Amino acid sequence: DAKTTQPNSMESNEEEPVHLPCNHSTISGTDYIHWYRQLPSQGPEYVIHGLTSNVNNRMASLAIAEDRKSSTLILHRATLRDAAVYYCILRVINTNAGKSTFGDGTTLTVKP
Amino acid sequence: NAGVTQTPKFQVLKTGQSMTLQCAQDMNHEYMSWYRQDPGMGLRLIHYSVGAGITDQGEVPNGYNVSRSTTEDFPLRLLSAAPSQTSVYFCASSRTLTANYGYTFGSGTRLTVV
Repeated sequence: DAKTTQPNSMESNEEEPVHLPCNHSTISGTDYIHWYRQLPSQGPEYVIHGLTSNVNNRMASLAIAEDRKSSTLILHRATLRDAAVYYCILRVINTNAGKSTFGDGTTLTVKP
Repeated sequence: NAGVTQTPKFQVLKTGQSMTLQCAQDMNHEYMSWYRQDPGMGLRLIHYSVGAGITDQGEVPNGYNVSRSTTEDFPLRLLSAAPSQTSVYFCASSRTLTANYGYTFGSGTRLTVV
């Protein structure tokens, strides 16, 4: 199964942009890249997803490398409420389509 | 919209006891799944279902059973609780198995086995 690699932790200052990287070098051509975040003591929350093109929504932007082997979640202006664990996962379209695995994610700390 | 509802929120079990964690969604989602999250770690897939009457195993299925008799409900049964099953359990759903839809997660059930 395709796996993702993320840094264990990152820090940011409030109101500055944050770029959270994710490597997925074994991605297949039809795999979607999804991002979720988990606030303390809560369930994960969907953030954004994409296939090949960059994507924007009200929460964040997703930049996907041309070869699709990596992606970056961009929070344009970090707030204290963005402090969370961010997970990058691949949703695969094959016989294992039901099996999306979450790694340990990146713990984002936002400093005032 | 209630989304994904999990009950109970907290539970303490004695070793060897059995129980069922409930998960219900009101979004008519075809796909549902159960994850467990141990302290300081990511989520691991236990079981999943792509529709009523269809279930399959994830990464860590041992000690757990599931069934999907309706689209709305996907209960997780612990057959004989063990301390190693102490964890937070999350239920998730998605419109379909197709990868172009995101998951919606419940708020979790915190289970302690003593």
